[in-house]
Amino acid sequence: QVQLQESGPGLVKPSGTLSLTCAVSGGSINSNDWWSWVRQSPGKGLEWIGEIYHSGSTNYNPSLKSRVTISVDTSKNQFSLKLTSVTAADTAVYYCVRNSYYCLEFWGQGTLVTVSS
Amino acid sequence: EIVLTQSPGTLSLSPGERATLSCRTSQSVSSDYLAWYQQKPGQPPRLLIYTASSRATGIPDRFSGSVSGTDFTLTISRLEPEDFAVYYCQQYGPSPLYTFGQGTKLEIK
Repeated sequence: QVQLQESGPGLVKPSGTLSLTCAVSGGSINSNDWWSWVRQSPGKGLEWIGEIYHSGSTNYNPSLKSRVTISVDTSKNQFSLKLTSVTAADTAVYYCVRNSYYCLEFWGQGTLVTVSS
Repeated sequence: EIVLTQSPGTLSLSPGERATLSCRTSQSVSSDYLAWYQQKPGQPPRLLIYTASSRATGIPDRFSGSVSGTDFTLTISRLEPEDFAVYYCQQYGPSPLYTFGQGTKLEIK
């Protein structure tokens, strides 16, 4: 069964860039699946950030599109998230997820990112 | 953007009882595009139901999903102690691709 593990700094300064990586194990990122980032904050609930295919094709949430980049490294079986110009509103638990049939099937455990000086 | 409205916000029931959770969409949504998740404290959401009524792998048959128009329902036929959690519905498309309801907290009465 596929497993996903998020990693990255837990603290980011305001106006800085949030960078996270998701390592995929038990399966190949080259499979016929899309891979997503989702975040969860107390104020906004669950929010889908965007998704990527192993070819590099992406789709983003319009509300974040100007600040988000999702990339994939097939040689390392991982994908990444960058979110620029962060504010306190970007404080959340960030999850990486393997998509399935119009749903989000396998989730990582999540990593808390706090935006604070 | 399609808005998902879940009700009730909190549902207080006892083990053994039947739970009925609702998710109403602001526009017509294909039943293929509706999923349900369970989330316990400190854990990620877990996929329960996809395509409105198909159980995900390993999900007990006491969980079922149904649809009537724009009203989607998650039913837990007989509550077990481990079922008390927060439940979210999610729909697919058109933009953003995935949106979630605000959640229903199922608590022990």
